[in-house]
Amino acid sequence: GESVGLHLPTLSVQEGDNSIINCAYSNSASDYFIWYKQESGKGPQFIIDIRSNMDKRQGQRVTVLLNKTVKHLSLQIAATQPGDSAVYFCAENSWNRDDKIIFGKGTRLHILP
Amino acid sequence: DADVTQTPRNRITKTGKRIMLECSQTKGHDRMYWYRQDPGLGLRLIYYSFDVKDINKGEISDGYSVSRQAQAKFSLSLESAIPNQTALYFCATSAVGGLETQYFGPGTRLLVL
Repeated sequence: GESVGLHLPTLSVQEGDNSIINCAYSNSASDYFIWYKQESGKGPQFIIDIRSNMDKRQGQRVTVLLNKTVKHLSLQIAATQPGDSAVYFCAENSWNRDDKIIFGKGTRLHILP
Repeated sequence: DADVTQTPRNRITKTGKRIMLECSQTKGHDRMYWYRQDPGLGLRLIYYSFDVKDINKGEISDGYSVSRQAQAKFSLSLESAIPNQTALYFCATSAVGGLETQYFGPGTRLLVL
């Protein structure tokens, strides 16, 4: 069946270092991928997205990489800051699934001082 | 002002009670969604609505019902609450047109005793 999963449930990173959060998906028909950030007590917040016709997209301090060959997605956060502490979810969507997003279980990013 | 609001933010109820969670949005989006989130799990879709006349079951609709009163309002009801419905509930919206990100409300924390 379809699944969107994360390799590590918790990631600890030194403040100022770069963070890389990984995600695997199984649906080869996936067209659209999104990363969300969820801070404690809040709803998920959109960070960045990428469509299947791209392999890289950059935002402010964040980069998403898509490798369709191995069905792998990653989120890179440059110069990690204390405010980056949160749970990060990858999600995917496809035209053949009536536009319903499937979410991964999340990775908690912990920033070390 | 928040684009997607949910009321109440916290609710404690007893087994067997009927409760309603409400969601309002000012984004002008046609599509609205209800999810639940449990510790260690990703978001799971309960119901979704593509417009006022179009309501669809999601992955875990049993025990829940919804009403789309207007484009801006989508409510979730638990007809007879049970303890395993204790969770964090999120409403989300997205624009019509397919592969678009979803915008989430702040969540409702529900405890069923």
